[in-house]
Amino acid sequence: AQKVTQAQTEISVVEKEDVTLDCVYETRDTTYYLFWYKQPPSGELVFLIRRNSFDEQNEISGRYSWNFQKSTSSFNFTITASQVVDSAVYFCALSRTGANSKLTFGKGITLSVRP
Amino acid sequence: GAVVSQHPSRVICKSGTSVKIECRSLDFQATTMFWYRQFPKQSLMLMATSNEGSKATYEQGVEKDKFLINHASLTLSTLTVTSAHPEDSSFYICSARGQGARSQNTEAFFGQGTRLTVV
Repeated sequence: AQKVTQAQTEISVVEKEDVTLDCVYETRDTTYYLFWYKQPPSGELVFLIRRNSFDEQNEISGRYSWNFQKSTSSFNFTITASQVVDSAVYFCALSRTGANSKLTFGKGITLSVRP
Repeated sequence: GAVVSQHPSRVICKSGTSVKIECRSLDFQATTMFWYRQFPKQSLMLMATSNEGSKATYEQGVEKDKFLINHASLTLSTLTVTSAHPEDSSFYICSARGQGARSQNTEAFFGQGTRLTVV
């Protein structure tokens, strides 16, 4: 069975602070995909990143960066110099590699960025 | 990225009536669509998986006769909540995976979601 744990439930930071959102996963599969999504108050899920289990390189996209550590089954997400617009619920998710594989979501982390 | 359009975004219906929610992939062929349900301040829970042209596979505990899913084409899946009750009030969101010029089959794109309120 697959499982995603986002131990942090709510995080509040002041604008311009860096913040890291943790994600730990469990799977018996040797190949899998990891995802991060952002859900703003409007409700839609915004795709942020997909990571193949073969690729352990860290990735940076603007103020966003991801640290994939297969040895600890973690896929953490860091927002640098946070902004008020970053306030949202962030979900980490895991899926098998098949094209019709479902995503298993963590419980989500509510991030509030105060001006 | 690929676009998945879900309609309506909000719906209020009377208890006992049925509501249909549409999910369309606009620029790729969605071979598989997923329907999720999200209660306030909770995570997304998968309800069912549908492949084009075949019956949906429902997750344990989801009533297939109550939540009818149709995936008749590679660009459209519908979820019908039959005989809706107040406890069915929730946020329903679809996701599509498939192939196309702007979609890799490894991506999962989500619709905008539908907030259903049953009164």
